[in-house]
Amino acid sequence: KAGVTQTPRYLIKTRGQQVTLSCSPISGHRSVSWYQQTPGQGLQFLFEYFSETQRNKGNFPGRFSGRQFSNSRSEMNVSTLELGDSALYLCASSYIDRTYEQYFGPGTRLTVT
Amino acid sequence: KNEVEQSPQNLTAQEGEFITINCSYSVGISALHWLQQHPGGGIVSLFMLSSGKKKHGRLIATINIQEKHSSLHITASHPRDSAVYICAVLRGTGNQFYFGTGTSLTVIP
Repeated sequence: KAGVTQTPRYLIKTRGQQVTLSCSPISGHRSVSWYQQTPGQGLQFLFEYFSETQRNKGNFPGRFSGRQFSNSRSEMNVSTLELGDSALYLCASSYIDRTYEQYFGPGTRLTVT
Repeated sequence: KNEVEQSPQNLTAQEGEFITINCSYSVGISALHWLQQHPGGGIVSLFMLSSGKKKHGRLIATINIQEKHSSLHITASHPRDSAVYICAVLRGTGNQFYFGTGTSLTVIP
């Protein structure tokens, strides 16, 4: 079974731009969660999608958004990038929700200059 | 105040030692995850617990729901166990997910 894939793996953007990151979950997994990891704040939960609906949301501004497609693939978008958005963005998939084991992708490292 | 506290923050051990990493949380939870992150960023889920104890190879995880505490034990530690270990809890209401700050483990040959 193929693991969770994320594209792109590395990205450099300029402040003010927007960015879209993609996550393909393990086949059969319907829940996709997104996380941000920074040296200062550690890992933080962004949002979770299930069956194309956002089920839970962390404490992030509205510039952070996401969606899930019918094949469970998910994208997250960050608009009007700020320097503080530089981080490793991880997605994880699980069968139904986070009471099941989560499988993490390799992450997308975003650098905002 | 952090909902999840881990200790110790840093740990150095000699190969073969028995290691314990602790996680305390302050909210009601429906699940607790132990994660391992190697340099380079990749995260692997080690355990998902809602009660009791789980064992996988040299790793053992326990949880005490009443005391709001979980431990991760590594028996016969090995240099390849060197990584950051992160505790994460899924809140019982609202489904918010909280992470500990991680324990950085270095196992010296």
